[in-house]
Amino acid sequence: DAGVIQSPRHEVTEMGQEVTLRCKPISGHDYLFWYRQTMMRGLELLIYFNNNVPIDDSGMPEDRFSAKMPNASFSTLKIQPSEPRDSAVYFCASSLRGTGFMNTEAFFGQGTRLTVV
Amino acid sequence: QQQVKQSPQSLIVQKGGISIINCAYENTAFDYFPWYQQFPGKGPALLIAIRPDVSEKKEGRFTISFNKSAKQFSLHIMDSQPGDSATYFCAAKGADTGRRALTFGSGTRLQVQP
Repeated sequence: DAGVIQSPRHEVTEMGQEVTLRCKPISGHDYLFWYRQTMMRGLELLIYFNNNVPIDDSGMPEDRFSAKMPNASFSTLKIQPSEPRDSAVYFCASSLRGTGFMNTEAFFGQGTRLTVV
Repeated sequence: QQQVKQSPQSLIVQKGGISIINCAYENTAFDYFPWYQQFPGKGPALLIAIRPDVSEKKEGRFTISFNKSAKQFSLHIMDSQPGDSATYFCAAKGADTGRRALTFGSGTRLQVQP
């Protein structure tokens, strides 16, 4: 398996534009997480899904942020309209539910570096 | 309740030395405590993890020490090498109940000098 795949790797957009980040989780994983990483706030959980259903979106900063998971192999994080303070690295991760110890590992993608100018 | 506090923010160690990073948590429902390693331009990757029913876990040069009563855990890197230079995150989560997502500490940037 190629691991968690995120696209694009880098995105530069102008303030006010819509931005869509994409994620393909590891096949067979039933949890998907979106995290945001900044120098000031570290790694923050935005939202996570279980079996394609959003479970906890309390970390989504504003209504400008939305996330969907239409099927087990694809998720999007959308920011509309984007603002300079949204500049960060956005990570997608996936994991199995599992009952075994190691099945709780979360595998991260390489991230999307978003710059809003 | 969901916070995980990590220290120090940065750490410089000489090659061959011991690197120690500390974390503390509040939520007693946490029962899985991993450490993640992140190199520049990459996503975090699992390094080592522990459950609270043991006080220590060792994998090669990496050891987690866990103190359940104090709600603290730490990462020790023995014989630190320049290749260990990275940012390290502690994390915690509940298992079968409650919040299933990892809560991360703020990270420690480790630099191992040759």
